[in-house]
Amino acid sequence: NAGVTQTPKFQVLKTGQSMTLQCAQDMNHNSMYWYRQDPGMGLRLIYYSASEGTTDKGEVPNGYNVSRLNKREFSLRLESAAPSQTSVYFCASSEAVGPSYNEQFFGPGTRLTVL
Amino acid sequence: RKEVEQDPGPFNVPEGATVAFNCTYSNSASQSFFWYRQDCRKEPKLLMSVYSSGNEDGRFTAQLNRASQYISLLIRDSKLSDSATYLCVVNRGDSSYKLIFGSGTRLLVRP
Repeated sequence: NAGVTQTPKFQVLKTGQSMTLQCAQDMNHNSMYWYRQDPGMGLRLIYYSASEGTTDKGEVPNGYNVSRLNKREFSLRLESAAPSQTSVYFCASSEAVGPSYNEQFFGPGTRLTVL
Repeated sequence: RKEVEQDPGPFNVPEGATVAFNCTYSNSASQSFFWYRQDCRKEPKLLMSVYSSGNEDGRFTAQLNRASQYISLLIRDSKLSDSATYLCVVNRGDSSYKLIFGSGTRLLVRP
């Protein structure tokens, strides 16, 4: 099993460009998440999907959109990239949302730089 | 006040030392507690869950103090391979069960 995979691993964008970060999991998990990690700060939740067909905003959703394409795939889109979106982006999945299912498994991350 | 607070370190210890990290959380309704480990430029990985009664996994011991709202991680007989950043993670305490990540404590184990 590959676990959680993310593409691309690295990306450089110019301000105003758009791109989509892809995430897939092969653990048959119901819930998926997108986080960003900035120096000196903890991971911050951008969006999550508790189950296929649902998405909800996290702490820092502005400037992002998501699509839960199917149970395996959860993509994150930057419509008009800004330098403030320079960060490392992690996708994660968990069996479900709930007190007994909170262990999250992370992908390797995407390092995004916006010039 | 941050929802989850950790001393950023770094904690610089020799091999074989015992080291302890604390973490405080602000929401008394939080129910799930974890320690994750993150190596440099890698993804976080679950180290251990933290249970009310405390729990141990080999050289690692985690404790929860609900009254004071803090979690601790004790590492005995430190190895070079323990060098990493340790993230304290707590669930939000509402029905979303979303996780809140601390910014991490960096540990350096020297030969």
